[in-house]
Parts: sequence; structure tokens; C-alpha cells
Amino acid sequence: QVQLVQSGAEVKKPGASVKVSCKSSGYTFTSYGISWVRQAPGQGLEWMGWISTYNDNTNYAQNLQGRVTMTTDTSTTTAYMELRSLRSDDTAVYYCARDQVGGYGDYWGQGTLVTVSS
Amino acid sequence: QSVLTQPPSVSGAPGQRVTISCTESSSNFGAGYDVHWYQQLPGTAPKLLISGNSNRPSGVPDRFSGSKSGTSASLAITGLQAEDEADYYCQSYDSSLSGWVFGGGTKLTVL
Repeated sequence: QVQLVQSGAEVKKPGASVKVSCKSSGYTFTSYGISWVRQAPGQGLEWMGWISTYNDNTNYAQNLQGRVTMTTDTSTTTAYMELRSLRSDDTAVYYCARDQVGGYGDYWGQGTLVTVSS
Repeated sequence: QSVLTQPPSVSGAPGQRVTISCTESSSNFGAGYDVHWYQQLPGTAPKLLISGNSNRPSGVPDRFSGSKSGTSASLAITGLQAEDEADYYCQSYDSSLSGWVFGGGTKLTVL
């Protein structure tokens, strides 16, 4: 069965970086892209960007350009999202999702809580 | 840039039918992009409920249905059950962003 399993919760200080992993299993990793979505406490869903697991092409949300980098490791079928220069308003649950043809997430990771606090 | 607007909350009694609207503020819908719906139970990840405007993934009860007409899409839930109490999000594609865009979410309360 398709599964996306994310790394555990993180606590970071303002200005630091965080790297969240998303390990995929149960399907051919390079056949689907991975999108990242975050959700601040009590807020809605915000799309962060997308990476092709086939050729590592990326597309990032404009408001995160320059601070976010998405990568993949096909040998371990794992996708990564690194966010730099963290601010308090980056505190959120971060989700990875398998990006299905048609532009939606059909399987999601369980989420990773990133808390940014001094 | 596309903006998807949902009502903040809807409610209904067990057994009733409720609908959640998702209205797009630009011509994005006119470009033919599909709308998808997710259910998010408290403390859990979003779960795909409807894809491609009206398609239910395997395992989603047929009490859930989706439709789209013009610049509006709707999610209908019939035979409301207590376990349907959750947040619901619509999502589409925004060509100006080259990425996903979400509605603000609708909290469904089962009375």
C-alpha cells in the first residue's frame, strides 16, 4: 500500500534551518512528483511547492522563493524539504503529498510539526 | 492569482444533507482546471475525498459527491454522520502560480 512517512517534530530557533524528510513506499517513486503543504496552527492549507522525482525540476511558491529547497533521493525513495532563515510565522505542520496527474494529492504524509521559538 | 472562497462553517443534523461551496474569483475555473476536495479530521492529515470535480477515490462513501459548474464547485454530503465533523478544503490549480491553490476551509459541525 502507498505510504508517505515523515520525520519527527522539530523545534528551531529563529534564523535556523529545518529539513523535513518524506519517505515513500508502495509505488514507483519516480512516477509521481511530491508536493509540500503547510498548515499554521488553526489556519488553512498553504501550498509550498513541488518537485519532480523524475528529473528534480522544482516549482516553489513565490512567498518562499529563496528560503526553500526541495530535493529527492531516489535510492531511498525519500523527498526532502529544507526551509532556511526560519521565523516564528513558519511554525506549522508540514505535509508531503504524492502529486497525482491532474494536480492533487492522493496520498499524504502524517505531517511534521516545526516549532520556531526563541 | 486565483482565490478560492469557501464558507467558514456549515452545520447539519444527523441524516441531513449539507453542501459546501467553493467559488473562484478569477478566470482560473474557466481555464478548465479541476477542483478537488479534502477532508481533515482533527489532528490528522488531509485526506482526498473528491478528485477531478466529481470522482470518489476507492473507499470514500457515496454519501460524498462533488460537482462543478462555471466558476463554482460544490461538495455535497448526504446522510450526515457524527464522524463527518471535520474541516473540508477545496483545491485547484493556479496557472499564474504554476501550483496548487486551496480554499480557506469549511468547518462542518454535526449538531
